[in-house]
Amino acid sequence: AQSVTQLGSHVSVSEGALVLLRCNYSSSVPPYLFWYVQYPNQGLQLLLKYTTGATLVKGINGFEAEFKKSETSFHLTKPSAHMSDAAEYFCAVTLANAGGTSYGKLTFGQGTILTVHP
Amino acid sequence: EAGVVQSPRYKIIEKKQPVAFWCNPISGHNTLYWYRQNLGQGPELLIRYENEEAVDDSQLPKDRFSAERLKGVDSTLKIQPAELGDSAVYLCASSSGNNYGYTFGSGTRLTVV
Repeated sequence: AQSVTQLGSHVSVSEGALVLLRCNYSSSVPPYLFWYVQYPNQGLQLLLKYTTGATLVKGINGFEAEFKKSETSFHLTKPSAHMSDAAEYFCAVTLANAGGTSYGKLTFGQGTILTVHP
Repeated sequence: EAGVVQSPRYKIIEKKQPVAFWCNPISGHNTLYWYRQNLGQGPELLIRYENEEAVDDSQLPKDRFSAERLKGVDSTLKIQPAELGDSAVYLCASSSGNNYGYTFGSGTRLTVV
């Protein structure tokens, strides 16, 4: 079984400041990890994903995340926040089966609402 | 390429009434998912299809919820009868198993009054 914990349901930053959204996972097998963003009344948009290979993953809109197996973490960062980054962010995990294809079920964290102040 | 299409976007019904949601996945995506997102929470899986077969429906409340995926393409999720606690956003997603690229639709926001 897998689970995801997002530390901090609300994060507030000033425009231009560093964005750090925390995600820790629990998984009995190597995980595949994702960050999604959700704007009001919209679906989920993929920001980035880690499956295999390089542990530092770059995504859209200047976001990146680093998979740290020893810390079971996959924190999301952006060097400089923009007003348009205000949204809710979800970390999610799925499992790779022995064949390397997706196990199928995405398990999400509770979400972190990011507020950006002028 | 069109994304995952869901309809309707919004639905308001009285409790005990039936309701249905429709999803058209991305062409060629053999895996289809229905998730429910309660207010202030992350989405939770209701059911997963591989082609036309439901391979994981362990979280689907089968006394009132049903789903089908005809010919392995479009899918319908039904609730009958609806309860107040069913108010949520119902998200459909699809993926092609080789790239872990889950794509979500815009969701249907259900309000049961």
